[in-house]
Amino acid sequence: DAGITQSPRHKVTETGTPVTLRCHQTENHRYMYWYRQDPGHGLRLIHYSYGVKDTDKGEVSDGYSVSRSKTEDFLLTLESATSSQTSVYFCAISERQGRTEAFFGQGTRLTVV
Amino acid sequence: ILNVEQSPQSLHVQEGDSTNFTCSFPSSNFYALHWYRWETAKSPEALFVMTLNGDEKKKGRISATLNTKEGYSYLYIKGSQPEDSATYLCAFDRSQGNLIFGKGTKLSVKP
Repeated sequence: DAGITQSPRHKVTETGTPVTLRCHQTENHRYMYWYRQDPGHGLRLIHYSYGVKDTDKGEVSDGYSVSRSKTEDFLLTLESATSSQTSVYFCAISERQGRTEAFFGQGTRLTVV
Repeated sequence: ILNVEQSPQSLHVQEGDSTNFTCSFPSSNFYALHWYRWETAKSPEALFVMTLNGDEKKKGRISATLNTKEGYSYLYIKGSQPEDSATYLCAFDRSQGNLIFGKGTKLSVKP
């Protein structure tokens, strides 16, 4: 299994509070991604990173920010959590930019009440 | 908006049946097409990454074909087993490394 760890695995938070999810990898892969998974939707890309301090928006980036200060860590922050951000969040990594398989973390289930 | 469509949405088969699913994607600016297998309570795992028109890949009883000119890929499972029960995702690779996923086909195999 690829060395990807997401933390926390489960979190319940209140509307309006900031939340940070962490993705840690031990594979030294350059590319890292945050997806969310909701019923009736496929995995949707929130943000991705193509190197330390290099990030870009995905298709559902509103309300989220990311940071990558080290190769191994990619943080996803919900600046002010809303109920619509209740979801399962998956981190993924890949060795190259495209045409290569992505490896996924175990997921973080976030509930905003 | 880039659309990746998968059909059927769900499928129930008996052990031993062979089955197939479809993934359709934009045929222009094709870069690659991925297939993932996602078991309940686990993470998606890559099955195939396909890049060339006419590509055919195989892993055990699972195989996939690719038609980039018409924008579709088929995933086949020969002699389904209960352990094949999972959601099968396809994803369009846009070359920047980020993937556009379909909603998946949920396969249930009854013993």
